[in-house]
Amino acid sequence: ETGVTQTPRHLVMGMTNKKSLKCEQHLGHNAMYWYKQSAKKPLELMFVYSLEERVENNSVPSRFSPECPNSSHLFLHLHTLQPEDSALYLCASSQEGWEEQYFGPGTRLTVT
Amino acid sequence: KQEVTQIPAALSVPEGENLVLNCSFTDSAIYNLQWFRQDPGKGLTSLLLIQSSQREQTSGRLNASLDKSSGRSTLYIAASQPGDSATYLCAVRGAGSYQLTFGKGTKLSVIP
Repeated sequence: ETGVTQTPRHLVMGMTNKKSLKCEQHLGHNAMYWYKQSAKKPLELMFVYSLEERVENNSVPSRFSPECPNSSHLFLHLHTLQPEDSALYLCASSQEGWEEQYFGPGTRLTVT
Repeated sequence: KQEVTQIPAALSVPEGENLVLNCSFTDSAIYNLQWFRQDPGKGLTSLLLIQSSQREQTSGRLNASLDKSSGRSTLYIAASQPGDSATYLCAVRGAGSYQLTFGKGTKLSVIP
């Protein structure tokens, strides 16, 4: 595997389910990001981890819970989501948090 | 709060034409600016990164310029091809911030 990978690529979940999105980067970077892309809206930054510590949290509802166990892996734990949370969730990584960001293919999430 | 605007929202050109995509931002205190390409339902591919101290960057048929004082960047695509059809996104990183602020993108269609 090369670059940034995300699993699953597609996810359908009910509002009472609990699921997790996984991101893995193979670039040796030390910063990782979660973004949300909704229809008709610009990409929105959700969370930033640098050296495995959360450094930014952009007023994201608590039903989204990130986890960064090491510099190569990032998770987004989901519980009791709402239909408006349906979107493309993108993971990215960069070196040092200041440099060029590389994105994964995204997880298309549908909440029913 | 940084805001990024991309004009036009959509553009359709015949194959072989040169074209310019525009990006403007409200806060000139940026660290860098990045142009991305996004194919339908896919993640983002980084095209060019311009540091705040630079005026332009080139990669193949692509040239991006930055005028930080006026809050503008342009992406020039030479000799367009049908494979260039995608949505092009501009994003700026504020000085001292991890956050990339994105525009809504320009959807480009190159007609054979």
